[in-house]
Amino acid sequence: EPEVTQTPSHQVTQMGQEVILRCVPISNHLYFYWYRQILGQKVEFLVSFYNNEISEKSEIFDDQFSVERPDGSNFTLKIRSTKLEDSAMYFCASTRGNTEAFFGQGTRLTVV
Amino acid sequence: ILNVEQSPQSLHVQEGDSTNFTCSFPSSNFYALHWYRWETAKSPEALFVMTLNGDEKKKGRISATLNTKEGYSYLYIKGSQPEDSATYLCAFSQAGTALIFGKGTTLSVSS
Repeated sequence: EPEVTQTPSHQVTQMGQEVILRCVPISNHLYFYWYRQILGQKVEFLVSFYNNEISEKSEIFDDQFSVERPDGSNFTLKIRSTKLEDSAMYFCASTRGNTEAFFGQGTRLTVV
Repeated sequence: ILNVEQSPQSLHVQEGDSTNFTCSFPSSNFYALHWYRWETAKSPEALFVMTLNGDEKKKGRISATLNTKEGYSYLYIKGSQPEDSATYLCAFSQAGTALIFGKGTTLSVSS
């Protein structure tokens, strides 16, 4: 069964460092999303991506964040200068469009 | 700007209580409405995908209804159990557009 794959499963980084979270969506999917969940808090939408550009982003997704699909398979989320408050579980999702979204298992980002 | 609203934001019930949440979405050019269940530290899992006005779907103690003309969907949980504690997300799409997710309703069920 096709699945969305995220790597790494856990990333520890020092404050101020850049991190790249990677996602391999399902191959024939067209829409891609990043969400995050800070421990004990609600799920938060970050960004959606379609046709090689951002289609929607939240107020959380400021200039420190960027997304790209560098090679047609990976979908990456980059945080340029991490803050302590960026520590969270980050989930990637993909859909063909209007069908069920499939989510990865998440990357736990810990900023120290 | 298309917006999906979910209410309440959070809810705390006792084991055995029945409960329901609301998802509101634009009624024009409707294509599909999804419900997802998201437990802490796990991946969200799809509960229902509904496309027709008047659709009602059921999975165990959880059911959902859809009114596309007025732009809302209800998710019902009958006899809540502690394992139902999760965030319930709805997502809406128009024809040819990506899914737009709501912010979720967080349910906490205490025993």
